[in-house]
Amino acid sequence: EDQVTQSPEALRLQEGESSSLNCSYTVSGLRGLFWYRQDPGKGPEFLFTLYSAGEEKEKERLKATLTKKESFLHITAPKPEDSATYLCAVFRVTTDSWGKLQFGAGTQVVVTP
Amino acid sequence: GAVVSQHPSWVICKSGTSVKIECRSLDFQATTMFWYRQFPKQSLMLMATSNEGSKATYEQGVEKDKFLINHASLTLSTLTVTSAHPEDSSFYICSARGAGSSTGELFFGEGSRLTVL
Repeated sequence: EDQVTQSPEALRLQEGESSSLNCSYTVSGLRGLFWYRQDPGKGPEFLFTLYSAGEEKEKERLKATLTKKESFLHITAPKPEDSATYLCAVFRVTTDSWGKLQFGAGTQVVVTP
Repeated sequence: GAVVSQHPSWVICKSGTSVKIECRSLDFQATTMFWYRQFPKQSLMLMATSNEGSKATYEQGVEKDKFLINHASLTLSTLTVTSAHPEDSSFYICSARGAGSSTGELFFGEGSRLTVL
């Protein structure tokens, strides 16, 4: 069965304390791995798309990497405004050809001043 | 970036009534729209996928007669929760994929929080 597992469930960081979030997946027909940020009561906000193992993407204090089995989201010197739930999702091709985005449960990150 | 708008953002209704949520793509044509449901501290669960002009495809366990989805145009999809009950209270989020897009880069609406009393 296809699975997307994120760890840890929650992460509390001091401002400036770098850390990494993990997303491991077992999905057949993978066509991309996505990272989203979600603030409370809001829809997900797109961050990155990764398509192949070894690929890396960066945006401000965030850097996403991808291997054949997992992806990491590195947060370097986080600020309180980086506090959010970070969602990982994998896109897989389905028999109906539309494809589906399957989400992990998310990692809730709190950055304290 | 592309904008997807949902309306209403918040809705409170009595048990047994029906509620309609709209999802609009404001600056692109959305050939495919997805409806998700999210319970507190849980991830997004795909409910159904709809293509413009076609019947929606529902995920296993989602009642199609209860969650009516209409995708009548390339910029609008609606989700109607019929005969709503308190257990239907949730955060409903739509997303849209533009014409010509073959990947999962979806644009999400801001979500609609439904509370059924």
